[in-house]
This record gives sequence, C-alpha cells and structure tokens, in this order.
Amino acid sequence: AQSVTQLGSHVSVSEGALVLLRCNYSSSVPPYLFWYVQYPNQGLQLLLKYTSAATLVKGINGFEAEFKKSETSFHLTKPSAHMSDAAEYFCAVTSSLNAGGTSYGKLTFGQGTILTVHP
Amino acid sequence: NAGVTQTPKFQVLKTGQSMTLQCAQDMNHNSMYWYRQDPGMGLRLIYYSASEGTTDKGEVPNGYNVSRLNKREFSLRLESAAPSQTSVYFCATSTSDRRNGYTFGSGTRLTVV
Repeated sequence: AQSVTQLGSHVSVSEGALVLLRCNYSSSVPPYLFWYVQYPNQGLQLLLKYTSAATLVKGINGFEAEFKKSETSFHLTKPSAHMSDAAEYFCAVTSSLNAGGTSYGKLTFGQGTILTVHP
Repeated sequence: NAGVTQTPKFQVLKTGQSMTLQCAQDMNHNSMYWYRQDPGMGLRLIYYSASEGTTDKGEVPNGYNVSRLNKREFSLRLESAAPSQTSVYFCATSTSDRRNGYTFGSGTRLTVV
C-alpha cells in the first residue's frame, strides 16, 4: 500500500521568506512523487515530479523538492515567497508498478497544506 | 488544446435526484479517474478506468456509478443524490505508467439540498 502525510494543514510565511512544506510518504515499491498546487476555485496543477532520476527536482514558479529515500520525505521549498504563491498544495505518491489488486496503480494524495503569504 | 474538460461546472440537486457528470479528454491518455474533494480530506478516489473497457472502484464508490464510453470520455453518475455527496468533483487522466502524474479538469461543484 502507499500513503502520504503532509505535516501542517496550514503554513503562514511573510513575503520574501523561505517556504517549506513537508511531505512524508510510505510505499512498498519505488515511488513516483508529485507536488500539485490548487488556486481557489481551480483544478490541480502539477508543480514538479520525481520519477527516479535526479533526487533534487525543480518545478514551476521557483519551487523545488528533494527526494530523500532514507527519510521517506519529499519536502517542497521555495527560497523567497511571493504573494501569488498563496494556494493549497498537495503531495501525492504512485508507482509505475501494478501489484495486482492493490492500490499501486493510482495516485494517493496527502490532505493538503494551505499556504498563506503575508505582506 | 483543451486537455480535460468537465461539465457542468456547477450544479444544485435536490435529494433523490440523479445526474451525470461528464469528462472528456484530448490527451490520448489510457487512464481516467474521478475524485471528490472535501475540506480537510484531500482528494479521495471514487472510481477509475485503467484503460478503455475497464472500470474499478476506488476508496469511496458507494452511491456512484461510472461509464467509460470510449477512450476520450468517462462519466460519473449519481443515481439518487444525498447531501453527503455535496462536494467538488474532479476528473483526471494519466498515461498507463503515471510517469507524468495526472492532468486534472477544472472541477464540478455539486450541492445537494
């Protein structure tokens, strides 16, 4: 089975400060990991992905994330927050493997972290 | 390039009414999914279709049915709507290996009164 835990349902930062959104995953097979962003009243947009290549991955809007197998983590960071970064962020895990009858074939989402950016 | 299109965008139903949410994609993806999103609960999988001609239950299938009409279209039906089905519904698509994650539609906001 696979699961995702996002630590902190709400994170608040000042404009220009470091953004750190935490994600820990559980997977019995090599994972694919994703971060999505959702702006109010919109669908989910892919920020970045890890699919077993480089462990430090860069995404859109200046975000990056590092895959740490030993810590089963995939935390999202941005050096300097901007007001436009205010949104809800979702971490998700899946795998390329299909272990028959299990949940491996699908994307499992964390419960989301709402990022607030203060002027 | 529309990607994933969901209709309608908004709907209000009375308890007991039925409706079908439509999803169409032009991504040429094999796999399609229906999720519901509720505050504090993230996204929960209702049904999915790994490929044309197959459908399977997700985490929360009760009260829903699906049809994979062809490769492009995947519909979600509520036979007898209940207030507990008030939610935002998202359709998503992916390649079979999910290497690029999912592509999402813009959602259908459903209220059951």
